[in-house]
Amino acid sequence: NAGVTQTPKFQVLKTGQSMTLQCAQDMNHEYMSWYRQDPGMGLRLIHYSVGAGITDQGEVPNGYNVSRSTTEDFPLRLLSAAPSQTSVYFCASSYAGVGTGGGTPLHFGNGTRLTVT
Amino acid sequence: AQTVTQSQPEMSVQEAETVTLSCTYDTSESDYYLFWYKQPPSRQMILVIRQEAYKQQNATENRFSVNFQKAAKSFSLKISDSQLGDAAMYFCAQDSGYALNFGKGTSLLVTP
Repeated sequence: NAGVTQTPKFQVLKTGQSMTLQCAQDMNHEYMSWYRQDPGMGLRLIHYSVGAGITDQGEVPNGYNVSRSTTEDFPLRLLSAAPSQTSVYFCASSYAGVGTGGGTPLHFGNGTRLTVT
Repeated sequence: AQTVTQSQPEMSVQEAETVTLSCTYDTSESDYYLFWYKQPPSRQMILVIRQEAYKQQNATENRFSVNFQKAAKSFSLKISDSQLGDAAMYFCAQDSGYALNFGKGTSLLVTP
């Protein structure tokens, strides 16, 4: 199994451009989430989804949109990129909620490094 | 709001020695899960160990063990017989039901 696949691995954008970070999982996991990692800040939750058609905001949702039309895919959209969105982005999935599902671990993709100039 | 605090931005250990990474958290829940993740330079997030709050016994995975003090809300990671491959960023995390709250991380350097 491929697990959680993120594309692209690297991306450079100019301020104001838009783009979509792709995330796909082949494990039939219901829960998917997006995190951003900044130096000295750890990983912070952007958006999450508990199933197809259901999404909600995390800790730092501003500037990002998500949708979940299928169980497999959970794309993250930047509508108008800003330098503050320069970061490493991780997508993760699990078959149930981490807490509600008995501590099920998250499966992470390998991340996308985004630079906004 | 739940918070996870890692007070050591950087730690250093000699090969074959033991090192302990600290983590404290704040929650009003009585049952929850705690995790340690390792992130090597490859950027991959690797689960090291998991602890369920209602279990009194500290979790152990080979050279990795935790000291879980529920009343003190403390969850430290002990790495025994440190190896060069243990050099990485280590993140402590607590479940928020549907996802994880992460600490800011501790960078571990292993010297020969």
